[in-house]
Amino acid sequence: QQQVKQSPQSLIVQKGGISIINCAYENTAFDYFPWYQQFPGKGPALLIAIRPDVSEKKEGRFTISFNKSAKQFSLHIMDSQPGDSATYFCAARISGTYKYIFGTGTRLKVLA
Amino acid sequence: DAGITQSPRHKVTETGTPVTLRCHQTENHRYMYWYRQDPGHGLRLIHYSYGVKDTDKGEVSDGYSVSRSKTEDFLLTLESATSSQTSVYFCATNDGAGDLNEQFFGPGTRLTVL
Repeated sequence: QQQVKQSPQSLIVQKGGISIINCAYENTAFDYFPWYQQFPGKGPALLIAIRPDVSEKKEGRFTISFNKSAKQFSLHIMDSQPGDSATYFCAARISGTYKYIFGTGTRLKVLA
Repeated sequence: DAGITQSPRHKVTETGTPVTLRCHQTENHRYMYWYRQDPGHGLRLIHYSYGVKDTDKGEVSDGYSVSRSKTEDFLLTLESATSSQTSVYFCATNDGAGDLNEQFFGPGTRLTVL
């Protein structure tokens, strides 16, 4: 079964610090890697995404790093803010489809 | 928001009863999805649709069926609800276009099976 493994399960960071969430996949048949952010009581929303031919993508304080050979990708949140406190999901799209496999989620808390 | 509504938003039912959850979208997106969200498991795909009357199974499809007779509606049915189906259910859509290939999620339905 295709899987995406996400860590850590939870993360506490001081305001202004860097939050790092990691994901690893076990099957090479993925062609798109998005990250979603979810606030309590809401549905997830797309945060940032990357294709496997790119090693890094940055949007504001959010950066995805992608290591194709290691089958790993990570989300870095620079200058973390209390408003970033949410659950973050990595995901991978199965090649040739619009089906996605999601990680198990990371609950981030940024202390003021 | 991408104009996705889910109904009902909350439901409590008993084991063995049939349950239907409805997802309605106003964006004319081709792809629609049903996920369940459980602690420790994240989001798991139940079924998805790639067009009217075209559906495919996801990771956790046992005990669930779906139907899509119109572009805007995607129904999820639990033929005989079990306690293991207690969860938060999310519908999502995707227009399949553009570089972002974004999934838009609805607000969720919290289902409790007693």
